Amino acid sequence: ETGVTQTPRHLVMGMTNKKSLKCEQHLGHNAMYWYKQSAKKPLELMFVYSLEERVENNSVPSRFSPECPNSSHLFLHLHTLQPEDSALYLCASSPAVVGDSPLHFGNGTRLTVT
Amino acid sequence: QQQVKQSPQSLIVQKGGISIINCAYENTAFDYFPWYQQFPGKGPALLIAIRPDVSEKKEGRFTISFNKSAKQFSLHIMDSQPGDSATYFCAASKRDAGNMLTFGGGTRLMVKP
Repeated sequence: ETGVTQTPRHLVMGMTNKKSLKCEQHLGHNAMYWYKQSAKKPLELMFVYSLEERVENNSVPSRFSPECPNSSHLFLHLHTLQPEDSALYLCASSPAVVGDSPLHFGNGTRLTVT
Repeated sequence: QQQVKQSPQSLIVQKGGISIINCAYENTAFDYFPWYQQFPGKGPALLIAIRPDVSEKKEGRFTISFNKSAKQFSLHIMDSQPGDSATYFCAASKRDAGNMLTFGGGTRLMVKP
């Protein structure tokens, strides 16, 4: 049990579909993150939320839309994705954005766009 | 622009040997350098981290060496074990954004029994 739970574990969607990824953390953390892990590329930070406010958005295409309704839940809404968006999407949490307390990652959602 | 470069991409080591993974960074504002370990089907987990006020940090069989002037840091795994087989990521971040990490490309380590 990692303390950070992501659902679903696997998702296959067509380019015209709309789907959402869900992340829940049971650690009492105040910061949550979405990372993208593609083959042969470094982990890419997509979005950061601190106390439910977005503090970072790394030029991510608008077809990815995050939502953080409270400090325990984070969603990534997906629509009209491209095949190159196929990747492992990792959610993480930490006590705060500042400082050096470790990121706690979930096990990811493996997304395949057909 | 890749701000943290990691090498090698893959590494095979015999059991009991030393595994060495290197990283180089470009941004002099970085001041926190963690290493994460990822097993297949799992998310990364923090292994060990260092700040630039020290040149070395050791935790068990894992050691980070840091060279501020060269903007390089490395992970050494002593007495490597098959259970150490995983992908290792170095990362870096700035003082006021410690957890907004920039990751290296990863090294897939295989330790042969």
